[in-house]
Amino acid sequence: DAKTTQPPSMDCAEGRAANLPCNHSTISGNEYVYWYRQIHSQGPQYIIHGLKNNETNEMASLIITEDRKSSTLILPHATLRDTAVYYCIALTNAGGTSYGKLTFGQGTILTVHP
Amino acid sequence: ETGVTQTPRHLVMGMTNKKSLKCEQHLGHNAMYWYKQSAKKPLELMFVYSLEERVENNSVPSRFSPECPNSSHLFLHLHTLQPEDSALYLCASSQDYSTISSYEQYFGPGTRLTVT
Repeated sequence: DAKTTQPPSMDCAEGRAANLPCNHSTISGNEYVYWYRQIHSQGPQYIIHGLKNNETNEMASLIITEDRKSSTLILPHATLRDTAVYYCIALTNAGGTSYGKLTFGQGTILTVHP
Repeated sequence: ETGVTQTPRHLVMGMTNKKSLKCEQHLGHNAMYWYKQSAKKPLELMFVYSLEERVENNSVPSRFSPECPNSSHLFLHLHTLQPEDSALYLCASSQDYSTISSYEQYFGPGTRLTVT
């Protein structure tokens, strides 16, 4: 799986959009970008994933650059409950024994303040 | 609420005790997972079940014994644990295992285990 790089921490004001960047310059054509988050002392939470096109769901939007070397997770109206560690991971659709294995790096600690 | 529940939420046990962790998913998923998350360490996949059959066992010591009686329930039986086994134990489920949907996992809140 391609290595991903995220800033260690970010701040955001409540009610504003939180834009979390992720670099994955070595991503291959069959690797998807997944985002998870983990609020303190809770289990990880799936947010969104994408391959090439931008994606949106009820939680967030995912913007992937045309060359697929980076992406941005957007929380459109951050709330205090969005304070968490956000993980960006690249996962292959190549099959075999790689399915199902989630490995989180350091992630970005997002702090939403009043 | 993710549709995955775990009990108990907190557990303190001695090294000679036997206890079990329970996980239940209400999502109609076919794959279930046990993870271990220790302080300052990344998430570690322990076991994977697909359609009630164990498909992954990542070199986990035998003092951890999983059981999947049906596709909605997963247990982790614990015996003669060591203090270093203290961690957050997380259960997750996904629609399937052998497809891209295996990466979209829904986690329970975890069981915080302390071994004394």
